[in-house]
Amino acid sequence: KAGVTQTPRYLIKTRGQQVTLSCSPISGHRSVSWYQQTPGQGLQFLFEYFSETQRNKGNFPGRFSGRQFSNSRSEMNVSTLELGDSALYLCASSLISTAGGAYEQYFGPGTRLTVT
Amino acid sequence: DQQVKQNSPSLSVQEGRISILNCDYTNSMFDYFLWYKKYPAEGPTFLISISSIKDKNEDGRFTVFLNKSAKHLSLHIVPSQPGDSAVYFCAAKTRSGSARQLTFGSGTQLTVLP
Repeated sequence: KAGVTQTPRYLIKTRGQQVTLSCSPISGHRSVSWYQQTPGQGLQFLFEYFSETQRNKGNFPGRFSGRQFSNSRSEMNVSTLELGDSALYLCASSLISTAGGAYEQYFGPGTRLTVT
Repeated sequence: DQQVKQNSPSLSVQEGRISILNCDYTNSMFDYFLWYKKYPAEGPTFLISISSIKDKNEDGRFTVFLNKSAKHLSLHIVPSQPGDSAVYFCAAKTRSGSARQLTFGSGTQLTVLP
C-alpha cells in the first residue's frame, strides 16, 4: 500500500507570494492533518480535514488555509508569505478523524518551504 | 504555552547501552501518549504508544513508561543501535476538549555512537 505523498518536496518563494502544497493520504484514509515543523518548535498542528470538512484547527493566522477533496487529497495554502513561514510542512493521514478518536497518524515526507 | 515538553534537544549514547528519552506534559486531560521517530528527509514514523490506564508498554527493544502523577513519560531503548540515531518526538492527545489533535514535543536528537 502506497504511503502518504506530498508535492512538491522543495519550494522556494518570495515574501508576499502565496503557495499551495498538496498531500495524498494512504488509500482508504479519510483524515488528513497538517503540521508545521521548525527547529526547536517541534510539530505545530495547523488543521485537520475529514470527509472534506475541517474538524480541528490550531493557533495559526488566517493566512494558513486548507481544503480536502472528495478523494481525500488535501491542499494547504499560505497567502502573503512571511520569512517566518520557512519550515517543513508535514501532512499525516489516518483512517478516522483524530478529533473523533484516531490516535496513530502516518506522515508524509514533508514539503520544505523556504521564503526569501 | 507548550503542553508537551522535551527538555533535552540532544542525547548521545554508546552502541549497546540504554537510551532514555524524556517527555513532560502539563495537560492532565491527556490520556494517550505516542512516540515518533524521524530520520532526515522523511516524515515521522510511529514507534510506540501507551494509554493512561497503563504505566508501561513494551515492544521489542522499546519500552515506554508513564508516570501520571509526575506528568512524565520516558522512552527506553535497549540495547541502542546506530540505526536508532534519529529525532524522537513524544506526542499526546485527549479524546475530548481542545487537545483532541496530537500535541507534539519539540523533539530530541538521539545519536548512537558505534
